[in-house]
Amino acid sequence: DTGVSQDPRHKITKRGQNVTFRCDPISEHNRLYWYRQTLGQGPEFLTYFQNEAQLEKSRLLSDRFSAERPKGSFSTLEIQRTEQGDSAMYLCASSLMQGAEAFFGQGTRLTVV
Amino acid sequence: ELKVEQNPLFLSMQEGKNYTIYCNYSTTSDRLYWYRQDPGKSLESLFVLLSNGAVKQEGRLMASLDTKARLSTLHITAAVHDLSATYFCAVDEDYGGATNKLIFGTGTLLAVQP
Repeated sequence: DTGVSQDPRHKITKRGQNVTFRCDPISEHNRLYWYRQTLGQGPEFLTYFQNEAQLEKSRLLSDRFSAERPKGSFSTLEIQRTEQGDSAMYLCASSLMQGAEAFFGQGTRLTVV
Repeated sequence: ELKVEQNPLFLSMQEGKNYTIYCNYSTTSDRLYWYRQDPGKSLESLFVLLSNGAVKQEGRLMASLDTKARLSTLHITAAVHDLSATYFCAVDEDYGGATNKLIFGTGTLLAVQP
């Protein structure tokens, strides 16, 4: 296992389009997290899953954002009707269990033009 | 609401010098993380600090945690150019790590000059 994998690494989209990102966590990690990082800032928590259950969503996650983890393995983050303010690095992390260290993927850099 | 502050935000150092980055947080937590981020890259875990008085060292970096003061430090000894990066501290919002929801500081951009 080579760690948390995210796809695509880069995405350029026109304003108003929908985009979907994928995250494959480390095998057997039952917790999966999404963070967003804008230029010059630290990552901000968006949401997290325990297996397939989405347990918490940040206020940053507007109605245009939806995340799923249908079988408790990989996760997807979809942004509908993208806006320029959505341009950021979207980071996925996973951890083995509650209280365990989270490991981050390489991120997906989204640019909305 | 937990807030995490780092200082300085930018640090220009000469090779061979020592310096300390500070991380203050506003509410009780029992776990703190330090990460390194190179430009355009993801976060590399450096240290996990789980108890008051915890001290960990790896190479030229040493991290400590004072939970009573709600303060962590990252000390750099005899800096080298390869240490140039942005360093983040992150605090677990939930005592006991129930969610592993991390609140990050704004980061310290470290530039080590020859």
